[in-house]
Amino acid sequence: AQTVTQSQPEMSVQEAETVTLSCTYDTSENNYYLFWYKQPPSRQMILVIRQEAYKQQNATENRFSVNFQKAAKSFSLKISDSQLGDTAMYFCAFMKQRSEGAQKLVFGQGTRLTINP
Amino acid sequence: KAGVTQTPRYLIKTRGQQVTLSCSPISGHRSVSWYQQTPGQGLQFLFEYFSETQRNKGNFPGRFSGRQFSNSRSEMNVSTLELGDSALYLCASRQGTYNEQFFGPGTRLTVL
Repeated sequence: AQTVTQSQPEMSVQEAETVTLSCTYDTSENNYYLFWYKQPPSRQMILVIRQEAYKQQNATENRFSVNFQKAAKSFSLKISDSQLGDTAMYFCAFMKQRSEGAQKLVFGQGTRLTINP
Repeated sequence: KAGVTQTPRYLIKTRGQQVTLSCSPISGHRSVSWYQQTPGQGLQFLFEYFSETQRNKGNFPGRFSGRQFSNSRSEMNVSTLELGDSALYLCASRQGTYNEQFFGPGTRLTVL
């Protein structure tokens, strides 16, 4: 079974700073996807960024980027120029790659990120 | 396009009762997944439906069940409610074999 571990339950930074959230996972699969989801206090889960395991290039979405280390099974999220709206719970998630049918997300326990003005 | 909608948003029940939660996926999405979110256990996968068939089931007792209709709307049912069933229940939809899962706002269930 796959497991996802986020070792930082809470983090707090000042606005405009850069922050990195850690995530490690355990799997015997070779093909899979990794995600970072954001859940603001309003509770709507939003996809921040995703990474396909077969891609060596780290994914980037505007101020959000990842450091994907497949051999180390590490998948960290870097938020640059942090904004007050980035305040949220962040979940790292894993999904096996399958040709069809059922797919489920395995989530980490989350990191509560607070951006202070 | 309208997002994933879940009804009701809040629900209060007592132990022993049963409850039905509803999820309407984004138009055109055929897959609906359900997750339970609690402070202690985090986010856990309940089940996934694709074209009216349950494709995958998480490690939950048989009191948790679901179904999907021909219009892709899905319901989940919890019978004989226990205090530990208090949680935020999230529904997510996706379009095909591999696509991003879009989450709804959730239904907050409180069992007294």
